[in-house]
Amino acid sequence: SAVISQKPSRDICQRGTSLTIQCQVDSQVTMMFWYRQQPGQSLTLIATANQGSEATYESGFVIDKFPISRPNLTFSTLTVSNMSPEDSSIYLCSAATGATSGNTIYFGEGSWLTVV
Amino acid sequence: AQSVAQPEDQVNVAEGNPLTVKCTYSVSGNPYLFWYVQYPNRGLQFLLKYITGDNLVKGSYGFEAEFNKSQTSFHLKKPSALVSDSALYFCAVIRTGANNLFFGTGTRLTVIP
Repeated sequence: SAVISQKPSRDICQRGTSLTIQCQVDSQVTMMFWYRQQPGQSLTLIATANQGSEATYESGFVIDKFPISRPNLTFSTLTVSNMSPEDSSIYLCSAATGATSGNTIYFGEGSWLTVV
Repeated sequence: AQSVAQPEDQVNVAEGNPLTVKCTYSVSGNPYLFWYVQYPNRGLQFLLKYITGDNLVKGSYGFEAEFNKSQTSFHLKKPSALVSDSALYFCAVIRTGANNLFFGTGTRLTVIP
């Protein structure tokens, strides 16, 4: 298994500002992902964080709004840029310890952002 | 294309009774199916998964799920519910060749003392 730590766990942010969320895994992982969970909703994949290259974004998400870094096999960041109240969500980092589809994907505790 | 349906937004069950949380899927190829639980103000915790082999999968906290290919279902079950099982449950699928999870809408389970 993998233990995933996220910082910050919660924050209240001003409209128009940007916030970077950090994700640290306790072991090297092949795949890292960022999900968004809007209030009362399910999880939606934002992007796959690729080590050493640009992230792969899902439809509806763009790099300018959600820049992602992954400098090594245990760490990734997600920035939520120019925030608006619609960005108030839980942002979850996740990681898979293997490269094949059947490997378990583990999640962090989430970063709960409120934009005012 | 892939999709996961959790037809019940809310399931209520009395403590000690068996519980079932339903999930059906639609995916091309062989599916990899997962259940996660989210306790209040927490992230997601992995419960169990089906990859191949025995259709009955056992997981954490006494939960199990049965893969039924003909009905394209993967219902989560527990023989005797606990109040501490009250949480939000998500079914998810990875289609063959992909690496990311696609989630259902979630089912809120309430176990009544």
